[in-house]
Amino acid sequence: AQKVTQAQTEISVVEKEDVTLDCVYETRDTTYYLFWYKQPPSGELVFLIRRNSFDEQNEISGRYSWNFQKSTSSFNFTITASQVVDSAVYFCALHRGSDYKLSFGAGTTVTVRA
Amino acid sequence: DVKVTQSSRYLVKRTGEKVFLECVQDMDHENMFWYRQDPGLGLRLIYFSYDVKMKEKGDIPEGYSVSREKKERFSLILESASTNQTSMYLCASSSPGVLAKNIQYFGAGTRLSVL
Repeated sequence: AQKVTQAQTEISVVEKEDVTLDCVYETRDTTYYLFWYKQPPSGELVFLIRRNSFDEQNEISGRYSWNFQKSTSSFNFTITASQVVDSAVYFCALHRGSDYKLSFGAGTTVTVRA
Repeated sequence: DVKVTQSSRYLVKRTGEKVFLECVQDMDHENMFWYRQDPGLGLRLIYFSYDVKMKEKGDIPEGYSVSREKKERFSLILESASTNQTSMYLCASSSPGVLAKNIQYFGAGTRLSVL
């Protein structure tokens, strides 16, 4: 069975603070893919990043960065210098290499106050 | 850009009614999905379809059925709506294969209230 845990239910910060969202996953597969999605108040989930299990390189995209560590089964997401537009629910998800399905974590609600 | 369109943003139905939620995608994707989103539970897969007329149960199929008569359209059906089906419903589509990278594209969701 596979499982994704996002232990933080809600995070509230003031603009320009950094925010780190934790994601821990469980799977017995050797080939798998990890995702982060953003769900703004409009409701539509927006794809942010995909990482496969063989690529442990960290990635930076503008103010977003991701830290993938297989040794601790974690795929954490950091927003640097947060902005009000970053306020959203963020989901971590796991995709088995042999399957169609995504397994989602419960989500973390990020609120950035001006 | 990929476009996944759900026919209604908000729906209010009565207990026992038959409810249809419609989803259309414009990217010729083979795979389509219906999820249910509830606070604290994330997204849970109800059904998915990997081809026209093909479907598979997800994690919580009870009380739901689906229909896929055309590649671009995937319908979720609540045969007899109940109050515990009050939720946000999200449709997604994806294309199989290495190049597509298993990325699912989502619609804006339908918030269903069953009274």
